[in-house]
Amino acid sequence: ETGVTQSPTHLIKTRGQQVTLRCSSQSGHNTVSWYQQALGQGPQFIFQYYREEENGRGNFPPRFSGLQFPNYSSELNVNALELDDSALYLCASSHMAGEQETQYFGPGTRLLVL
Amino acid sequence: SQKIEQNSEALNIQEGKTATLTCNYTNYSPAYLQWYRQDPGRGPVFLLLIRENEKEKRKERLKVTFDTTLKQSLFHITASQPADSATYLCALGTNFGNEKLTFGTGTRLTIIP
Repeated sequence: ETGVTQSPTHLIKTRGQQVTLRCSSQSGHNTVSWYQQALGQGPQFIFQYYREEENGRGNFPPRFSGLQFPNYSSELNVNALELDDSALYLCASSHMAGEQETQYFGPGTRLLVL
Repeated sequence: SQKIEQNSEALNIQEGKTATLTCNYTNYSPAYLQWYRQDPGRGPVFLLLIRENEKEKRKERLKVTFDTTLKQSLFHITASQPADSATYLCALGTNFGNEKLTFGTGTRLTIIP
């Protein structure tokens, strides 16, 4: 196990709703990245937070937003859900200190938008 | 445009043989490349990292090569076992200290007993 947890494990929402997904990083990890993985695809980078500030963003619209808290937890918020948002959402924690070699992924939250 | 391709969606290998997975990329200058294993319903698990100035890395039955001229990485599992059956993902990183990873679509490996 990686020591990274995510909640909930599964979620069903309807189009137009808002959702908050949660991640608890490994203790001491100051960086969290969020990825979206559609069925049969590799994970796609959404954004990264380092010391509670956004530190890079992928090609996702502003309705995808995040927060990182001092207690190693973080959130991914998605507003105005669309059908294409149905995917597995993964968080990955790491400790940014010069060269970083390993990201530790959580088990993911599977979101279904109807 | 930037692209990462893994050789095939699915690969079936006889138990005991060497499984070789390919990752090709275009329009990237990666600082490093990583390989992950992903089981159904789970997050990716880190296996190996190889830097741009390294040719080969080994870990137990795993071997990764990296050819920046060919823009290709090969991932080998020797003496394969049914427990090695999973999806394997390659991921490129362009900057150390910024862990944005760009993933390939993965290869689903099945080891046949």
